[in-house]
Amino acid sequence: KQEVTQIPAALSVPEGENLVLNCSFTDSAIYNLQWFRQDPGKGLTSLLLIQSSQREQTSGRLNASLDKSSGRSTLYIAASQPGDSATYLCAVRPTGANNLFFGTGTRLTVIP
Amino acid sequence: EPEVTQTPSHQVTQMGQEVILRCVPISNHLYFYWYRQILGQKVEFLVSFYNNEISEKSEIFDDQFSVERPDGSNFTLKIRSTKLEDSAMYFCASTTDMNTEAFFGQGTRLTVV
Repeated sequence: KQEVTQIPAALSVPEGENLVLNCSFTDSAIYNLQWFRQDPGKGLTSLLLIQSSQREQTSGRLNASLDKSSGRSTLYIAASQPGDSATYLCAVRPTGANNLFFGTGTRLTVIP
Repeated sequence: EPEVTQTPSHQVTQMGQEVILRCVPISNHLYFYWYRQILGQKVEFLVSFYNNEISEKSEIFDDQFSVERPDGSNFTLKIRSTKLEDSAMYFCASTTDMNTEAFFGQGTRLTVV
């Protein structure tokens, strides 16, 4: 069964700093990997989707990379802002399955 | 921008009662999903739905749960006899295809007392 782990569980950085969030998964047979943002008590906002054939995707200040063979993905946030404070979740869609397996998330706090 | 909408945002129910959670997926999407998140835990898959039938379900999705697409726009999750451990945030999601970006609703917080 696919297991998804995110490290660190929580991260606090000063405004303006660049940061990296990590996601690892146990089975490399995946269709895609998706990064989400979750604000407290709210829904999931899709940030980036990386297909299994891709190495990275960029959206604004966000860049996500995927190394499928090693079972890892990173989310790079450039020039962090207080508004980036949220929990970031990664989720993988295994090959042959029509559902997402989620990690426990990294809670990011950007200090003004 | 198109979005998945869920109602109600919060529902409180007594143990043993039936609840129906409602979702309106994005209009041109073909695959629909329910997930749940117990407080402090991972988001967990419950069920996927395509072409008017369940395509996949998890171990959590037992006989107390059912899903339905009663018309062309709504997608519902029914919990027949709620238990305290059903208290969670329930998320609806939709995709155009199996390998495309999943869009989630804002969730329904279900509290069973």
